[in-house]
Amino acid sequence: DTAVSQTPKYLVTQMGNDKSIKCEQNLGHDTMYWYKQDSKKFLKIMFSYNNKELIINETVPNRFSPKSPDKAHLNLHINSLELGDSAVYFCASRQGQPPYYTDTQYFGPGTRLTVL
Amino acid sequence: RKEVEQDPGPFNVPEGATVAFNCTYSNSASQSFFWYRQDCRKEPKLLMSVYSSGNEDGRFTAQLNRASQYISLLIRDSKLSDSATYLCVVNMDTGRRALTFGSGTRLQVQP
Repeated sequence: DTAVSQTPKYLVTQMGNDKSIKCEQNLGHDTMYWYKQDSKKFLKIMFSYNNKELIINETVPNRFSPKSPDKAHLNLHINSLELGDSAVYFCASRQGQPPYYTDTQYFGPGTRLTVL
Repeated sequence: RKEVEQDPGPFNVPEGATVAFNCTYSNSASQSFFWYRQDCRKEPKLLMSVYSSGNEDGRFTAQLNRASQYISLLIRDSKLSDSATYLCVVNMDTGRRALTFGSGTRLQVQP
């Protein structure tokens, strides 16, 4: 029944490794997002996809690559992980297409990434 | 200046107290405004939208002052279950249509 799900919930890995986080929403929403919440608790947008099309790409290192195989899925692949990548990564979805969004974004439970 | 600025708190209040949080935003062209709630180690969830005329949802009242670029959230009769971080969120009309989050104000309601 989970509206927005992410896997894995926890990810502990060594510097230099490559890892992926998966996100799925069963709400039928058109738009999906990746956010990063760092240790200072700031939630910052990284990417947004609308119907598999990239519409927002913030200043994020190109080691981060989102992939949207269909509008219900948005995965995040991270190459050559660094210590500073340690954070909680949240996926979210929202109904509507630009510029006619609904107000509410629904967030997944988060993936806590720790890079050692 | 941060795009969305909040007092980080924590606000420690007794049960039954009234508490108010404030938030300022930098972009005067911002279109829509929200309060989200985030419990410890959980995802943010929409608490309420904020409208120019002010709006109320039970014990929660939100106000918007566009001239001062200021948003507030008032919680009356605080419950233990209100303990959480409250995030001020703004949809800035920058063409990106993305939400900008404040860093949150932590509330701890004590018995």
